[in-house]
Amino acid sequence: KAGVTQTPRYLIKTRGQQVTLSCSPISGHRSVSWYQQTPGQGLQFLFEYFSETQRNKGNFPGRFSGRQFSNSRSEMNVSTLELGDSALYLCASSLGGKETQYFGPGTRLLVL
Amino acid sequence: GDSVTQMEGPVTLSEEAFLTINCTYTATGYPSLFWYVQYPGEGLQLLLKATKADDKGSNKGFEATYRKETTSFHLEKGSVQVSDSAVYFCALRLTPNSGGSNYKLTFGKGTLLTVNP
Repeated sequence: KAGVTQTPRYLIKTRGQQVTLSCSPISGHRSVSWYQQTPGQGLQFLFEYFSETQRNKGNFPGRFSGRQFSNSRSEMNVSTLELGDSALYLCASSLGGKETQYFGPGTRLLVL
Repeated sequence: GDSVTQMEGPVTLSEEAFLTINCTYTATGYPSLFWYVQYPGEGLQLLLKATKADDKGSNKGFEATYRKETTSFHLEKGSVQVSDSAVYFCALRLTPNSGGSNYKLTFGKGTLLTVNP
């Protein structure tokens, strides 16, 4: 069974731009969670989607948003990028949320 | 709030040495506990987990026991290999209250392990 895939793997943007990241979960998984990883703050929960609905949200500004499609694929969007948004963005999927979360390889975003 | 504290790294060991990475947690309920590993340039891989007190998770020679009395979940391996060099993350996930559905993982800061031949 294929694992969690994320595209693109690397991205360079400039301040003020916006970016969209994509995550395809393991087949059959309906829950997708997003995490931000930075050297200073470590791994922080962004949000979780289940059946096309945002079920939980972390403590991030409204510039961070996401959505989930009927095939469980998810996208996250960051608008008006700031230098501090440079990070590795990890997506994780699980069957319904309470099961083990499996992570993708991440998208490394650099904001210049 | 809920939190995970793990020993600061980096940890440098010689091949075949014994490994311990300490992890303690603070949680309002009875969490499930996890160890994830991150190899350079990759995402997180689940290493092992335990869902209730006194459970022992084990995988690839690594072990960790859920100790409710000391709120700990220390990772151990009897004989490390060069291929074990990676960053190790301890994490917890709360069991939501009845009707709840927040399954987010709360992570420690990570411990970089380097194993030299």
